[in-house]
Amino acid sequence: DQQVKQNSPSLSVQEGRISILNCDYTNSMFDYFLWYKKYPAEGPTFLISISSIKDKNEDGRFTVFLNKSAKHLSLHIVPSQPGDSAVYFCAAFNTNAGKSTFGDGTTLTVKP
Amino acid sequence: KAGVTQTPRYLIKTRGQQVTLSCSPISGHRSVSWYQQTPGQGLQFLFEYFSETQRNKGNFPGRFSGRQFSNSRSEMNVSTLELGDSALYLCASSLPATNSYNEQFFGPGTRLTVL
Repeated sequence: DQQVKQNSPSLSVQEGRISILNCDYTNSMFDYFLWYKKYPAEGPTFLISISSIKDKNEDGRFTVFLNKSAKHLSLHIVPSQPGDSAVYFCAAFNTNAGKSTFGDGTTLTVKP
Repeated sequence: KAGVTQTPRYLIKTRGQQVTLSCSPISGHRSVSWYQQTPGQGLQFLFEYFSETQRNKGNFPGRFSGRQFSNSRSEMNVSTLELGDSALYLCASSLPATNSYNEQFFGPGTRLTVL
């Protein structure tokens, strides 16, 4: 039972355009959602998060949107840069359980 | 501040052997979590240690075990290795968590190959 799903294994966009990465979840007990970025040979690094009581959080070029009724969140990167090329993991945190559940990741490639 | 360190970075073992991986968290962090990453499987949660006690556990067989020392350093052990245990093992540390989320900081991982 995969509680956090990233249905697109890969995404390719042109530099300067918008990148939209999607994530779906099934457990309504998740109360924080996070995005991590991972470069090869490095561990994931935290990118941006959103509490379940909000529907949008913005940090520079990165915006996360949460649609609780659809159990869906998305990460928008505008404008996309070649340095954004990495694997992006969506994660959901359940405060009661005290642990994070990760999706399988989406490989983003930004072409110059 | 130094980041999370993991040793060794690469490891090759054969089936049936056992292995011990080490993780040193960021100074002041007392929670250490371990994850397994395999291609197409994302990050699978193994377990979390806090103040030398296992606080959470994922759905892995008993061959996977861990411990945490008084200085918050953690070790993970896998016994009777199987080919399917080949993966990147990631350690993440965070500040003491109460009932809210604390950002996790990941180490670079240990790449384990089982032949």
